[in-house]
Amino acid sequence: QVKLLQSGAELVKPGASVKLSCKTSGFTFSTSYMSWLKQVPGPSIEWIGWIYAGDGGTNYNQKFKGKATLTVDKSSSTAYMDLSSLTSEDAAVYFCARLGSWYFDFWGPGTMVTVSS
Amino acid sequence: DIQMTQSPASLSASLGETVTIECRASEDIYNGLAWYQQKPGKSPQLLIYNANSLHTGVPSRFSGSGSGTQYSLKINSLQSEDVASYFCQQYYNWTFGGGTKLELK
Repeated sequence: QVKLLQSGAELVKPGASVKLSCKTSGFTFSTSYMSWLKQVPGPSIEWIGWIYAGDGGTNYNQKFKGKATLTVDKSSSTAYMDLSSLTSEDAAVYFCARLGSWYFDFWGPGTMVTVSS
Repeated sequence: DIQMTQSPASLSASLGETVTIECRASEDIYNGLAWYQQKPGKSPQLLIYNANSLHTGVPSRFSGSGSGTQYSLKINSLQSEDVASYFCQQYYNWTFGGGTKLELK
């Protein structure tokens, strides 16, 4: 069955960067679109961007350009998201999800990112 | 960008009751809408796609309808396991509604 396993919670200092991972199984990763989403208490959800695992092509929400960088490793069926220059505004739970057509059909459990000195 | 307005923000209902949650788009989204359920401490799970298609494994008491700018999610015969937050999401720039928190009365 489809599984998305995300890396553990992160505590990072303001101004630092962090790299989150999402290891997948149960579907053909190399022909899939993988997305990342952000959720803060409220509890609003924002789409950050997607990456096509086949060729690494990306599409970002304008709001997250320069903040998030999406990459994949096809050999391990893993998607990654780098978040740079972290501030308190970046504290959130980050989800990876498979983009099936135009909706998110399978989600990872989420990674909590805390930004604090 | 297309904006999604979801209502109500919170809802209290009794077991066995029928519940309806609504989403309004700022312009026509041509049935490009999905609904998700999120239980506390968990990730969202897809319920409905293309406005009215039930995702695999989702109980038939969930249904979606609507067209144009107005869409709704209906839960028939509310069960205790349906206590959760619900979100709509439109396809055109992957924008989500603000969510509806459903509790038992």
